[in-house]
Amino acid sequence: SYELTQPPSVSVSPGQTARITCSGDALPKQYAYWYQQKPGQAPVLVMSKDSERPSGIPERFSGSSSGTTVTLTISGVQTEDEADYYCQSSDSSGLYGVFGGGTQLTVV
Amino acid sequence: QVQLVQSGAEVKKPGAPVKVSCKASGYTFINYKMHWVRQAPGQGLEWMGVINPSGGDTIYAQKFQGRVTMTRDTTTNTVYMELSSLRSEDTAVYYCARGLLQGDYYFDYWGQGPLVTVSS
Repeated sequence: SYELTQPPSVSVSPGQTARITCSGDALPKQYAYWYQQKPGQAPVLVMSKDSERPSGIPERFSGSSSGTTVTLTISGVQTEDEADYYCQSSDSSGLYGVFGGGTQLTVV
Repeated sequence: QVQLVQSGAEVKKPGAPVKVSCKASGYTFINYKMHWVRQAPGQGLEWMGVINPSGGDTIYAQKFQGRVTMTRDTTTNTVYMELSSLRSEDTAVYYCARGLLQGDYYFDYWGQGPLVTVSS
C-alpha cells in the first residue's frame, strides 16, 4: 500500500525555522495537506494543496513541493507550535487516503 | 458554524462490533463527503474510508475491507461507522472528518473523536 514518509522528530529553538518533510511517490500527482495536532485534540488543517494557507493560520506557516517531497516550513517558531504534524494525501488513483507517520516538533 | 458531534466512548470485548455515530450540523449534509480516521494511543493517524452522504457510496481502506461498514441517515444528518470482529489493536480514537464531495481528499472539520477500548 502507498506510504508517506516523515521524520519522526524535529527540534528547534524559539525563533528559528522548522522544516518538516514528507515524501511519497504520488506527490507529483496528488496534492499534500498538513495537519497540526496537540495532545488530546483533534487535528487542525494548517496547509492545503501543498502551499495554500487556510484562513486563520499564521503567516509563519508555509508549504512547498519539489518532486516527490513536500515541505512544511514554520518560520520564527513559537512555543505554541510544539505539536505533532501530519502530512496527508491520496494514492495515485485518488481513491484512497493516506497519512504520513507524523513528526513531533519540539521547541526547546 | 460547522459541527461534527460524535457518540461517546465505548468499551468492547474482543470479537464484538462497535458502531460510532457522527452528527453533522451547520452545512448542507449531502454536499460533503465524510471520512473516518482513527488514531491508536500514542500512534499516528490512519485513514479508514469515506462515505458520500448523497448516494451512500463508500470506499474503504484495504486494511479494513470486510470488517468496516459506513452508512448514513440523511433524515438526521448522521453518518455511522461500524467495525466488526474487534481486537485489541483496534483500541483507538475514531474521528469523523468532513471532506470535499469531489476532488482531493482533505479534512477541514473533525469530530471530537471518542475512544473505543477493546479489552476482555
